[in-house]
Amino acid sequence: QVQLVESGGGLVKPGGSLRLSCIASGFTFTDHYMTWVRQAPGKGLEWLSYVSGSGSVTYYADSVKGRFTHSRDNAKNSVYLQMNSLRVEDTAVYYCARVGVAGANEFDFWGQGTMVTVS
Amino acid sequence: QSVLTQPPSASGTPGQRVTISCSGSSSNIGSNTVYWYQQLPGTAPRLLIYANDRRPSGVPDRFSGSKSGTSGTLAISGLQSEDEADYYCSAWDDTLNGVVFGGGSKLTVL
Repeated sequence: QVQLVESGGGLVKPGGSLRLSCIASGFTFTDHYMTWVRQAPGKGLEWLSYVSGSGSVTYYADSVKGRFTHSRDNAKNSVYLQMNSLRVEDTAVYYCARVGVAGANEFDFWGQGTMVTVS
Repeated sequence: QSVLTQPPSASGTPGQRVTISCSGSSSNIGSNTVYWYQQLPGTAPRLLIYANDRRPSGVPDRFSGSKSGTSGTLAISGLQSEDEADYYCSAWDDTLNGVVFGGGSKLTVL
């Protein structure tokens, strides 16, 4: 069965950096784009980024462009979110999710999330 | 302020049918497909509807989706207490070149 497990969250000071990881299993990893979505405490969902199956193509939301980098290591079935210049407003639960179909925007499996607190 | 507009809340009694709307524009829902997610308290979101009106395997047929113009609608029939959750719509936005979500609708089963 498909499983996504995030890690790397924690407490960081404003201006600091953090790297989130997400290990995938149960599917052919390279067949799927992967995405990161976050949810601030008590707020809604916010899409952050995409990375293609090969890792060569990425898309970012304007709110994180230039500060966050989404990458993947297909040999390790893992995706990463390198977060730099962190701000208080980046405090959120960060979810990695699988994109279901190439060219679509459905997030068909989600991890349990990892909490990032910037304070 | 979310790009897609949803009512903040919805409610119904067990067995009732409820609908949740999602209003967008020509750059998102008007030209792309709508997705719906269910988020039960304290859990990660779950894909409920994809491609406007398709259900992933495992999603009960009580849940249905539709799209008309620049709006999408999620309908839940035969409401059950376990349907109490937050519901989010999403779509690709051609202008922003990214995925946009609605602000979410909290469904209460009375």
